Amino acid sequence: NAGVMQNPRHLVRRRGQEARLRCSPMKGHSHVYWYRQLPEEGLKFMVYLQKENIIDESGMPKERFSAEFPKEGPSILRIQQVVRGDSAAYFCASSAGGSNTEAFFGQGTRLTVV
Amino acid sequence: QKEVEQNSGPLSVPEGAIASLNCTYSDRGSQSFFWYRQYSGKSPELIMFIYSNGDKEDGRFTAQLNKASQYVSLLIRDSQPSDSATYLCAVDSNYQLIWGAGTKLIIKP
Repeated sequence: NAGVMQNPRHLVRRRGQEARLRCSPMKGHSHVYWYRQLPEEGLKFMVYLQKENIIDESGMPKERFSAEFPKEGPSILRIQQVVRGDSAAYFCASSAGGSNTEAFFGQGTRLTVV
Repeated sequence: QKEVEQNSGPLSVPEGAIASLNCTYSDRGSQSFFWYRQYSGKSPELIMFIYSNGDKEDGRFTAQLNKASQYVSLLIRDSQPSDSATYLCAVDSNYQLIWGAGTKLIIKP
């Protein structure tokens, strides 16, 4: 039973390019959460999605960031026109229910903007 | 603003001793409380969750919750060098987990 899969594990982008981060939840999980972790800081909530719906995006920056979780396929976190401050580890977690009970994390995507 | 506070450490504990990690939270409406462990460069992994006031034990780990004081703690008995990591406290608030910045724990052989 595969865990939460994130890809790529490492992503390097030049300033102004787009970054696409993918997250495939655990089998049977329909709730996905995205978090960002800046160096030496704690995790910050970004967005909570269920299949085809954004439930809470209160942690997402208003500009350049978007997320989706289509009916088929992985959840995508998209960052347009990346800047150096976007360099961070981006973690995805999934759960079977919405209460955050036993949410499981993927290995993360380390984004470096050069 | 809803907050979760942890002492950043590092907390240094001798091998075999009890490590005590503390966390306070601001949202009185929170119902679920989680402790995660994160090794450097790795993703967080769930250690325990607790919903009710009192203690919950799982092996060498004990979570303690006091909702009146808005305080949750994690005790690690018989600390091992492999317990050296950053311990993250997280509190459920609506659909989110609100995270503390973590406490770095160092177990000295």
